[in-house]
Amino acid sequence: GDSVTQKEGLVTLTEGLPVMLNCTYQTIYSNAFLFWYVHYLNESPRLLLKSSTDNKRTEHQGFHATLHKSSSSFHLQKSSAQLSDSALYYCALRGNSGGSNYKLTFGKGTLLTVTP
Amino acid sequence: NAGVIQTPRHKVTGKGQEATLWCEPISGHSAVFWYRQTIVQGLEFLTYFRNQAPIDDSGMPKERFSAQMPNQSHSTLKIQSTQPQDSAVYLCASSLGGTGYTGQLYFGEGSKLTVL
Repeated sequence: GDSVTQKEGLVTLTEGLPVMLNCTYQTIYSNAFLFWYVHYLNESPRLLLKSSTDNKRTEHQGFHATLHKSSSSFHLQKSSAQLSDSALYYCALRGNSGGSNYKLTFGKGTLLTVTP
Repeated sequence: NAGVIQTPRHKVTGKGQEATLWCEPISGHSAVFWYRQTIVQGLEFLTYFRNQAPIDDSGMPKERFSAQMPNQSHSTLKIQSTQPQDSAVYLCASSLGGTGYTGQLYFGEGSKLTVL
């Protein structure tokens, strides 16, 4: 079945440094859709950005990610971390985006802590 | 515009007792999902409904977990004979269906279950 791997469980950064959170995935489908969700403390998880287009950069709220199907990766990046970026980040996969199953498979999450 | 509503927000049960969690999806959303969130496993898929019909329950522990959606505004997750390992935050999410489905799930704030 589909799977998502987020290597880092915990990332601690100093404000102003670049952010990179890793995400790799496995699926038998060539039309995979990848997502990043963010979960701030005391809020609900919400969609940050998504992509199904190979090698195209997608951006939202200062974050960006590029889906690379050749390496099955969808890493999340930001040029300069802010204190307000501290949150739990989940990478998610919909393996067969053209199919009838709506299920998203999530990774274990990466807790990003940004310090002054 | 109300989001996904989950009740109770916190529930404490003794080992062996039953727990029932409720979810009210966003009006007009035809897909309803249940996920379990833990530090160790991240966001684990449990089950989902489309137009009130169960579509995929591949993540449900078969023996003690059950989910229903008796009407379009209400879904329940029932755990019988709760065990300490069931302690987690249970998240409900809803989304548009059909051609409106983009993979964007709208999550509730979760029900935190603690089994003593």
